[in-house]
Amino acid sequence: ETGVTQTPRHLVMGMTNKKSLKCEQHLGHNAMYWYKQSAKKPLELMFVYSLEERVENNSVPSRFSPECPNSSHLFLHLHTLQPEDSALYLCASSPAGSVASGANVLTFGAGSRLTVL
Amino acid sequence: LAKTTQPISMDSYEGQEVNITCSHNNIATNDYITWYQQFPSQGPRFIIQGYKTKVTNEVASLFIPADRKSSTLSLPRVSLSDTAVYYCLVGPGSGGYNKLIFGAGTRLAVHP
Repeated sequence: ETGVTQTPRHLVMGMTNKKSLKCEQHLGHNAMYWYKQSAKKPLELMFVYSLEERVENNSVPSRFSPECPNSSHLFLHLHTLQPEDSALYLCASSPAGSVASGANVLTFGAGSRLTVL
Repeated sequence: LAKTTQPISMDSYEGQEVNITCSHNNIATNDYITWYQQFPSQGPRFIIQGYKTKVTNEVASLFIPADRKSSTLSLPRVSLSDTAVYYCLVGPGSGGYNKLIFGAGTRLAVHP
């Protein structure tokens, strides 16, 4: 357990479904991230929230919709996905502050394995 | 953001020391070097971070030469459980957040 919890761990959905991935951290971190990792590919940064404000959106299709209601929770809402969206979706968080306090060091969750049929 | 280059894969045997080198020729003055480890179907895990010279913790050492254009992660006496992908990242050590980009990493295979 890293302190970053992702649910569900596994999700199978059809292309017309709407589902959400949830991420929760109680580490007191200020920033939260969504990454996508497809088979045999590097991690792709999708979204970054800093102090509940979206600060990065790396050209992600609109069928992925993030939500950060507070500094401890992050959601990724999914709708009308494509089979190529099947991947491991990783949530991470990081503290602000100084290097000595671990600023900008990412703590990842275990991931949500998504399969789109 | 500084680009990093590391070997695609490495092989080793149990009990050996493994050194993985990362090149980052355009590292900025305020950039730190951070290494992560990732097992299959899990999120990456922080291993070590450094700015210059040598940093050591309970799992690894990080060697950074004076020009900081490269760094070497050293894993002493590896075991089968060290088989994983290792990522080298370079970016600011402080600030509100980071947008570090993960490369392909180095896939380390430890053999009995």
